[in-house]
Amino acid sequence: DQQVKQNSPSLSVQEGRISILNCDYTNSMFDYFLWYKKYPAEGPTFLISISSIKDKNEDGRFTVFLNKSAKHLSLHIVPSQPGDSAVYFCAASGGAQKLVFGQGTRLTINP
Amino acid sequence: DVKVTQSSRYLVKRTGEKVFLECVQDMDHENMFWYRQDPGLGLRLIYFSYDVKMKEKGDIPEGYSVSREKKERFSLILESASTNQTSMYLCASSLQVSTFIEAFFGQGTRLTVV
Repeated sequence: DQQVKQNSPSLSVQEGRISILNCDYTNSMFDYFLWYKKYPAEGPTFLISISSIKDKNEDGRFTVFLNKSAKHLSLHIVPSQPGDSAVYFCAASGGAQKLVFGQGTRLTINP
Repeated sequence: DVKVTQSSRYLVKRTGEKVFLECVQDMDHENMFWYRQDPGLGLRLIYFSYDVKMKEKGDIPEGYSVSREKKERFSLILESASTNQTSMYLCASSLQVSTFIEAFFGQGTRLTVV
């Protein structure tokens, strides 16, 4: 049973425009959410996170939005840059000291 | 800088072989994890450990075992490798905190079982 779902396997965006990556979860016990970025042949690196007590967290070009009632979060990247091309994973935790990941979305930024 | 190091970047093993994947972290983290990454399936948790000699099964533990004899080292063992264990294996570590967990990942081991 997939508790964290990223329904878009891939997304293509023009350089300079906004990229929006989406993530849905089913477990209402999740209270912390993270986004990781992964380049080929490398391990994932932490990008940005949000606690369930907030609905928005911003870090430079990256903003994460959380809608608890819809059990939905999204990552906005603006403006998108070629170096943002990677696979993005949404992850959630609920006090069990472990992270549950989504399937990932491959983002391609076109020049 | 947190460092999680996996012993091999690429491995090719034969079906039936016993395979050891080693992971070392240098930040004194209590938690360590083994995930595998497969296309369309994301990162799936195989095993995790929250203390030396302690381990818990993740979502897909079948065919795997783990060992944590020292705090900094967490080993994944494939008792008898099979072709369906061909995958990217990722080790991670994190502090034990009550609020959030930011896991730090190694560079990954691409294992091919032939």
